[in-house]
Amino acid sequence: SQKIEQNSEALNIQEGKTATLTCNYTNYSPAYLQWYRQDPGRGPVFLLLIRENEKEKRKERLKVTFDTTLKQSLFHITASQPADSATYLCALRNSGNTPLVFGKGTRLSVIA
Amino acid sequence: KAGVTQTPRYLIKTRGQQVTLSCSPISGHRSVSWYQQTPGQGLQFLFEYFSETQRNKGNFPGRFSGRQFSNSRSEMNVSTLELGDSALYLCASQETYNSPLHFGNGTRLTVT
Repeated sequence: SQKIEQNSEALNIQEGKTATLTCNYTNYSPAYLQWYRQDPGRGPVFLLLIRENEKEKRKERLKVTFDTTLKQSLFHITASQPADSATYLCALRNSGNTPLVFGKGTRLSVIA
Repeated sequence: KAGVTQTPRYLIKTRGQQVTLSCSPISGHRSVSWYQQTPGQGLQFLFEYFSETQRNKGNFPGRFSGRQFSNSRSEMNVSTLELGDSALYLCASQETYNSPLHFGNGTRLTVT
């Protein structure tokens, strides 16, 4: 069966450290993978998209990698701040006319 | 541009009743998707519409239905409400098929 697994429900790190979140998928062949941030009581907000032919994408303190052989994406936040505390969701869409599906998310807490 | 607007923000209904939720996408976005979010299941895909046509449907019972109007606004309806339908219902629009989703802040439905 198809699965998207974000391997930590919750992750606590100290301010200033790098947070690394993992997204693994099974029985998908995604053309691309996306990462979203969700704050309590709000809808998810798009952060980054990485395509199957891209190994790495960066945006300010964020970095995403995509390994189609391992079927895994890693999401890094460097120099983390308490304001980065939120739930982070990965999402992917198979090729063709299929919907965007989401992992259950990882709740990140950055402790000052 | 104004973001995605969902109304109402909160709703309390009784088992057996029906409910209609509304979504206004970002101006110019012709695609609208709906998701149900619960703590246990995460974001579950409900429907996707493009130019008034349902493009994809998730694995939900027939009590869940939706539609899109010619101005791209969308509604979803849940009939014969059950306690398990209590959730945050999120609507998202997108500019083109593979562009990121822009989410509203959802309608929090509580069924008692």
